[in-house]
Amino acid sequence: QQPVQSPQAVILREGEDAVINCSSSKALYSVHWYRQKHGEAPVFLMILLKGGEQKGHEKISASFNEKKQQSSLYLTASQLSYSGTYFCGTENNAGNMLTFGGGTRLMVKP
Amino acid sequence: DGGITQSPKYLFRKEGQNVTLSCEQNLNHDAMYWYRQDPGQGLRLIYYSQIVNDFQKGDIAEGYSVSREKKESFPLTVTSAQKNPTAFYLCASRDGPLYEQYFGPGTRLTVT
Repeated sequence: QQPVQSPQAVILREGEDAVINCSSSKALYSVHWYRQKHGEAPVFLMILLKGGEQKGHEKISASFNEKKQQSSLYLTASQLSYSGTYFCGTENNAGNMLTFGGGTRLMVKP
Repeated sequence: DGGITQSPKYLFRKEGQNVTLSCEQNLNHDAMYWYRQDPGQGLRLIYYSQIVNDFQKGDIAEGYSVSREKKESFPLTVTSAQKNPTAFYLCASRDGPLYEQYFGPGTRLTVT
């Protein structure tokens, strides 16, 4: 079953923060986050494994709460380059297929 | 440079024709995937393959077929049985479970 992302869309001013959530109805083994620019392929951001580990690089970080079957992506001090659609992909066992959410469209304005 | 190539970038076909989309990777990855993306929508899994000569149906396999005769190659055929084939098709690969997935640049298929 497809994970649910919220919000579906968000508009920010440069420098503002945003949180994107990803929820699953199944127990999760890992959560992957990707960003896609219009007409391009998704680009990997980070992967979170079971254990509630929080990861991040620069001003983008994420958390994973396996008990709640949820992950959140945190974008701080957003830049124009952060604009795009963010997808979470979930694995619910140690198999090798990802199920992607419907995406969150993020637009950062000057 | 390692990566995934998909060709062509744009493809136009008449309704009723089968069409094959190419996907090649030189990352030495065992697992390969095909996704379909419709405008403003997420990625839906069509087929995936974990090893050569083996593949499994994803969520929307009807009207599609694949082969995996070589580790590097995972072509997708969109058959005339696929009712709404116009979409953006993405191929991906990865080393195995829990690894990041690499995507190719995609093929935009238009069927009229």
